[in-house]
Amino acid sequence: QVQLVQSGSELKKPGASVKVSCKASGYTFTRYAINWVRQAPGQGLEWMGWIDTNTGNPTYAQDFTGRFVFSLDTSVSKAHLQISSLKAEDTAVYYCGRGGPRGFDYWGQGTLVTVSS
Amino acid sequence: DIQMTQSPSSLSASVGDRVTITCRASQSISSYLNWYQQKPGKAPKLLIYATSTLQSGVPSRFSGSGSGTDFTLTISSLQPEDFATYYCQQSYSTPYTFGPGTKLEIK
Repeated sequence: QVQLVQSGSELKKPGASVKVSCKASGYTFTRYAINWVRQAPGQGLEWMGWIDTNTGNPTYAQDFTGRFVFSLDTSVSKAHLQISSLKAEDTAVYYCGRGGPRGFDYWGQGTLVTVSS
Repeated sequence: DIQMTQSPSSLSASVGDRVTITCRASQSISSYLNWYQQKPGKAPKLLIYATSTLQSGVPSRFSGSGSGTDFTLTISSLQPEDFATYYCQQSYSTPYTFGPGTKLEIK
C-alpha cells in the first residue's frame, strides 16, 4: 500500500538548520510529484511548493524562497525539506503530500519542527 | 496568486443534518478545485478532486459541485466521524493555495 513516512519531531534553536525527510513506498516514486505543506500551530494549510521527482526540479511558493530547499534521494525514494536560519515563526507541522492538479492523495503523518531558544 | 475564501468559517450541526460549505476563488480556476478533511493531530485527507470526483474510499454522502469561481462541498447526512475542519484548494495554477478552512462542530 502507498505510504509516505516522515522523520520525527525536531527541536532547534533559532539560526540552526533542520532537514525533514519523507520516505515513499508502495508505488513508483518518480511517477508522482511531492509537495510540501506547512501548518503553523492552530492555523490553516499553506502550500510551500513541490518537487518534480523525475527531474529533481523544485518550485517554491513566494514565501518559501531563500531558506527552504527541496531535494530528493531517488535511490531510496525519499524527498527532503531543508530549512536554514530557523526563526521562531518557522515552528509548525510540515507535511509532504503526493500529487498535483488532481489533489494530494497521500500524505505523510507530519513532522513538528519547534524553534525555540 | 489565486486567493481562496471559504464560508462559513465555522459551523455547528447535528448528526443527520445536511451541510454545505462554500469556497470561492479570486479568479476562474475551471474545475481545478479539491476538498480535504482534517481531524486534530492528523494529516489532511483528500475527499474530492476536480470539483466533483470522489476520492476512492470516500463515502457517497460527500459531494462537490461548481465551476469557475464558486464551489460547494455538501455532506448529505452528517455522521459523527465527519466533525472536522474542511479545506478547499485550487490546483489550477501554482501556488496551489488553500482556503482558510471551515470547522464543523457538533451542535
